[in-house]
Amino acid sequence: DTGVSQDPRHKITKRGQNVTFRCDPISEHNRLYWYRQTLGQGPEFLTYFQNEAQLEKSRLLSDRFSAERPKGSFSTLEIQRTEQGDSAMYLCASSSPRQSRGNEQYFGPGTRLTVT
Amino acid sequence: GQNIDQPTEMTATEGAIVQINCTYQTSGFNGLFWYQQHAGEAPTFLSYNVLDGLEEKGRFSSFLSRSKGYSYLLLKELQMKDSASYLCAVRSLVVSSGSARQLTFGSGTQLTVLP
Repeated sequence: DTGVSQDPRHKITKRGQNVTFRCDPISEHNRLYWYRQTLGQGPEFLTYFQNEAQLEKSRLLSDRFSAERPKGSFSTLEIQRTEQGDSAMYLCASSSPRQSRGNEQYFGPGTRLTVT
Repeated sequence: GQNIDQPTEMTATEGAIVQINCTYQTSGFNGLFWYQQHAGEAPTFLSYNVLDGLEEKGRFSSFLSRSKGYSYLLLKELQMKDSASYLCAVRSLVVSSGSARQLTFGSGTQLTVLP
């Protein structure tokens, strides 16, 4: 088990550009989550997938944000027309209710986005 | 809506015991989690409580009182490596979608362990 991986680890982009992040969950975890974290704050929920179905989206997820999990394995998060306020750490997590009592989420190392 | 409160900062001495409190207000409570996060790293899972009482795991213990909307994380025999942010997170039922997966995090308690 190699844990949750995310790519890239760091991304610097200019305002107005599009960016895409990838998350590979722990194998056999059917649930995948995206969060955003800014300095001094806890992670904020963005969206949740069960297998390939996107079951929940936060109101934080504006129309510029889209997430996919086409085959129920890896997921991508795209931000279009980036703004400086999008600068944050984007965290991916995965879980499986079959593997733990609490269905706790396991986090990846995150992608740090800086919009200049 | 949901509201989670925890102290911003705490300081303790190596070898001591520290208790980090968390209070929450939520509808449809479905579990409380504690995570540890070192600077620049991802949160790592520490403990889970869904029923009232104490859960012990090595040097770490977590307590829950659902009627009071209160939890604490107890760290014993503090070590320098315990210096980190400790995040309290509540899972709640999302009635509209039937999903019970969403976690709401507090802002975290930055613990500094001094020699």
